[in-house]
Amino acid sequence: GQNIDQPTEMTATEGAIVQINCTYQTSGFNGLFWYQQHAGEAPTFLSYNVLDGLEEKGRFSSFLSRSKGYSYLLLKELQMKDSASYLCAVSGGGNKLTFGTGTQLKVEL
Amino acid sequence: KAGVTQTPRYLIKTRGQQVTLSCSPISGHRSVSWYQQTPGQGLQFLFEYFSETQRNKGNFPGRFSGRQFSNSRSEMNVSTLELGDSALYLCASRSGQRIYEQYFGPGTRLTVT
Repeated sequence: GQNIDQPTEMTATEGAIVQINCTYQTSGFNGLFWYQQHAGEAPTFLSYNVLDGLEEKGRFSSFLSRSKGYSYLLLKELQMKDSASYLCAVSGGGNKLTFGTGTQLKVEL
Repeated sequence: KAGVTQTPRYLIKTRGQQVTLSCSPISGHRSVSWYQQTPGQGLQFLFEYFSETQRNKGNFPGRFSGRQFSNSRSEMNVSTLELGDSALYLCASRSGQRIYEQYFGPGTRLTVT
């Protein structure tokens, strides 16, 4: 089966750096995804990791360790608009994605 | 390029009724996946259609069904609605080539009373 864990809520200050962790246990692995979802909107794709290491894309970076079943999403220079839910998802085989319940990030002044 | 569209955006139904939701993928995309999103369970995969064939299926009861037409538009149907079916139903389209190039629609908010 598939199990994905991530914190329910996090709070950070504008301009700071925040790291959102995700641990997973899956029967197969074809890649790990991070999505951002603002309230009332569709999830939007942020990053995809299939090999170990860090992928950097502007203010957002994502890290993967397959041996530890662990990933994190790093957000730098936080802005108020980054307040959203961040979803970790794993492709365990085929094109089926299993999502965590999401981490609600609140950015404060 | 127009994005993924879903209709209707909001729907209120009564227990025992059935409902059909529609999803039009991005032009040229042949894969459509459906997800149910609830506060307690998060996003859960329902099924995926590719070229009119169901390719993957999640762990939902048979009351949940879907189909895809030759123009790649997809519909999902829920029969004998239960209160627990109240959720945001999202569809996502993909060209079929890269799993990470999946784009979500705005969703249909279904409320069952």
